[in-house]
Amino acid sequence: SQTIHQWPATLVQPVGSPLSLECTVEGTSNPNLYWYRQAAGRGLQLLFYSVGIGQISSEVPQNLSASRPQDRQFILSSKKLLLSDSGFYLCAWAADREQYFGPGTRLTVT
Amino acid sequence: DAKTTQPPSMDCAEGRAANLPCNHSTISGNEYVYWYRQIHSQGPQYIIHGLKNNETNEMASLIITEDRKSSTLILPHATLRDTAVYYCIVRPAPGSGAGSYQLTFGKGTKLSVIP
Repeated sequence: SQTIHQWPATLVQPVGSPLSLECTVEGTSNPNLYWYRQAAGRGLQLLFYSVGIGQISSEVPQNLSASRPQDRQFILSSKKLLLSDSGFYLCAWAADREQYFGPGTRLTVT
Repeated sequence: DAKTTQPPSMDCAEGRAANLPCNHSTISGNEYVYWYRQIHSQGPQYIIHGLKNNETNEMASLIITEDRKSSTLILPHATLRDTAVYYCIVRPAPGSGAGSYQLTFGKGTKLSVIP
């Protein structure tokens, strides 16, 4: 069966520091991968999606970037975090008609 | 922007059916209706989806009106573990383009199941 991993589960970072969140998927090949962010009290916002290695589409202009160095690995990065980057970051993968979400990373920028 | 409208919150007594409405009056012919739920501090969980016909699975039933402008998610016997935010989402048919798997989440309905 397919499994999606995200780490770390929680993270507290100062403003201006870099960020790297990792997501890996097991049990499937060539999945579509997604990064979402959920700010406190708000719905999920799609940030990036990828249909293959090295292929990244950005939905929202921001100081975040994404990379897909391997088929089942999706990385969310930032060179300098802002306070507004705080939130719950979710990685997801898609197969057929459903999208499956990882456990999420709760990021607090202080 | 989400293409759906849902009430912000609902209460349901434990053991009773929970009926969650969703309006999607601008839905187009090839768009599906999907339902997800998110339990506090967890990732969203897929529940059910449909195009025209009513659907049922082990978790819920989905009733879509004939004009497809609205739908209702039914949890037949709500339990305390069903307390969550429920999202109704309209999306293109999978495989219709690179972005066809995108899910646009609104604010959903916060369902509280009361003992």
